[in-house]
Parts: sequence; C-alpha cells; structure tokens
Amino acid sequence: QSALTQPASVSGSPGQSITISCTGTSSDIGNYNYVSWYQQHPGKAPKLMIYDVSNRPSGVSNRFSGSKSGNTASLTISGLQAEDEADYYCSSYTSSSTPYVFGTGTEVTVL
Amino acid sequence: EVQLVESGGGLVRPGGSLRLSCAASGFIFSSYAMSWVRQAPGKGLEWVSSITGGDDTTYYADSVKGRFTISRDNSRNTLYVQMSSLRAEDTAIYYCAKGRYWPSNAFDIWGQGTMVTVSS
Repeated sequence: QSALTQPASVSGSPGQSITISCTGTSSDIGNYNYVSWYQQHPGKAPKLMIYDVSNRPSGVSNRFSGSKSGNTASLTISGLQAEDEADYYCSSYTSSSTPYVFGTGTEVTVL
Repeated sequence: EVQLVESGGGLVRPGGSLRLSCAASGFIFSSYAMSWVRQAPGKGLEWVSSITGGDDTTYYADSVKGRFTISRDNSRNTLYVQMSSLRAEDTAIYYCAKGRYWPSNAFDIWGQGTMVTVSS
C-alpha cells in the first residue's frame, strides 16, 4: 500500500486560509469515509485534528475543517495563526490487507 | 486523565529483538482497538500494526509482517509489540495510539513515543 500523496509544503500569512490536499485511490479515500488528519509539532506526538473526513474532536479549533471529493481529501485551516505552523498528515482506511495508510506529510509555514 | 506511556526502546543490533510496552490509563482499555505507529528520523508517519478490542484480531504493515507481533494484556491495561529480526530501517520513534472506534483510523490518544535504534 503506497502512501497517500500530500504537497511537501504549504505557506500562508497570518489570518489567511490554506488548504492541504491528500490524494489517494478508489481503494482508500475514494471508497471510505475514514479519513483523518493529524498535526505534529517538532519533537511532539501527533494530534488528531479531523476524523471521519470532516469531524472535529472536542477541543480542536473550528478553524480546522475537512472535506473529501472523489479520491482526494482536503484540510483547510482558516484564520491562520503562528501556532498552526507544524507538519500535517492525512490518513485513510484501505481495502488492502493492511487497513491504514498515512500521507507523505505537509509542512505548514506561517509567513 | 487519559494517558498512554510507552517504554522498552533502546539500541539493538541488526537481527536482534526488542519488546515495547504501552501502559494505558483513564479509559476502558479492553474496549478499544490499539495501534503502533512509527516515525523514522526526519521522516513521516508509518502505520505499523493494530489489534482490535474484543476479539483481538491483529493487522500488520507488509514491512513488519512475520517479524513483529502485537498483543495486549487487558488485565494490565498494557499493549505490546514484540519485534524480532530487526533491521536498520526499523530505526524510529514508536508511538502507541488508541483508536476512537473500529475500523476508523481516528487515533485520538497518542503516547509520547519510545526510540528504537537498530545499529551495530
């Protein structure tokens, strides 16, 4: 199972909105509503930001939103803040013998 | 407080073995699927293995199948992974993670990670 494809980096100015894409196939993103997004600051464990495509866990800012169209999922961060600077990973359930796959990761920079 | 604490990492020679543990607290451990996710130095996240709650069905990434064994002791609220025939490419931080519900990949609680270094 190959990793899901994400852009290596995305940047934006404070207050702006950015969108991170996550491209898979019909065997994963395209066929299941089990897409999650994780935020990871340097030296820290990942943190769940979005699950089941568009649901936010309790305590996660509503500036974070998720969506899916076909084989591509997206994470949008609105009102970008300095604290949003981190690495972001998508993940999907898959129909292969290995149930989960992560994306390649995207480094978000706040200019 | 809901918490996961990994232990057991360290330096091991190629071909060697190591067992990692993950102590859980603050939730009904037996009811949830648990997973191991690793991150090689400077690299991205890689799902390694999962074990369901209830029937203890196990799943493995192709890269570790036949070498790693995931297990759980619900009486001790502890998750394990027994790693054997270790290779340099297994060098990584190993995180344990709690699944929100099966089969969703929503890992809502993560440990702090334990470092495994495979080197001669």
